[in-house]
Amino acid sequence: GQNIDQPTEMTATEGAIVQINCTYQTSGFNGLFWYQQHAGEAPTFLSYNVLDGLEEKGRFSSFLSRSKGYSYLLLKELQMKDSASYLCAVRDDKIIFGKGTRLHILP
Amino acid sequence: DTGVSQNPRHKITKRGQNVTFRCDPISEHNRLYWYRQTLGQGPEFLTYFQNEAQLEKSRLLSDRFSAERPKGSFSTLEIQRTEQGDSAMYLCASSFGDLNYGYTFGSGTRLTVV
Repeated sequence: GQNIDQPTEMTATEGAIVQINCTYQTSGFNGLFWYQQHAGEAPTFLSYNVLDGLEEKGRFSSFLSRSKGYSYLLLKELQMKDSASYLCAVRDDKIIFGKGTRLHILP
Repeated sequence: DTGVSQNPRHKITKRGQNVTFRCDPISEHNRLYWYRQTLGQGPEFLTYFQNEAQLEKSRLLSDRFSAERPKGSFSTLEIQRTEQGDSAMYLCASSFGDLNYGYTFGSGTRLTVV
């Protein structure tokens, strides 16, 4: 079966750092994605991890541990525009999405 | 290339009516995917095509749902005898071969069944 777990909601303050965790149990694994989705819009690609370790891209970093079935997305220097849902997704021959974490940024 | 295009953007229909949505993928993308997303949930996989072949259908896709990609370019998703539970955002995405850069999503079609 496919199971991807991430917190439903998180709140953080502008300028701070937030870490969004994701655990997964899937029948196949060929990599893990993080997507950002603003309300009413389509998801947009943030990062892709296929090997263990940390991938850094500007203010956003993503970490993967395949043995633990665990990933996190780290957002630094939070801005108000980062208020969105963040979707953890596992790739097999298609992409299976978690339910998303709604991130609220407080001024 | 203008990305993945979906039409219409919004559709309101009465329960029991049939609806059809269209997706035009990025022209060089050979794979096309349909997802459904309800409020507060992540996208749920429905089906996908490689060129014109439909390779997988989710169990979520009841007999009332059918998807086609007749010439390996655009795709249509039809829902027959719509029910209120079909109200959702229907997302189309495309990719070329390897998924290392994920999908490119369209803006979606929001269906409301009244």
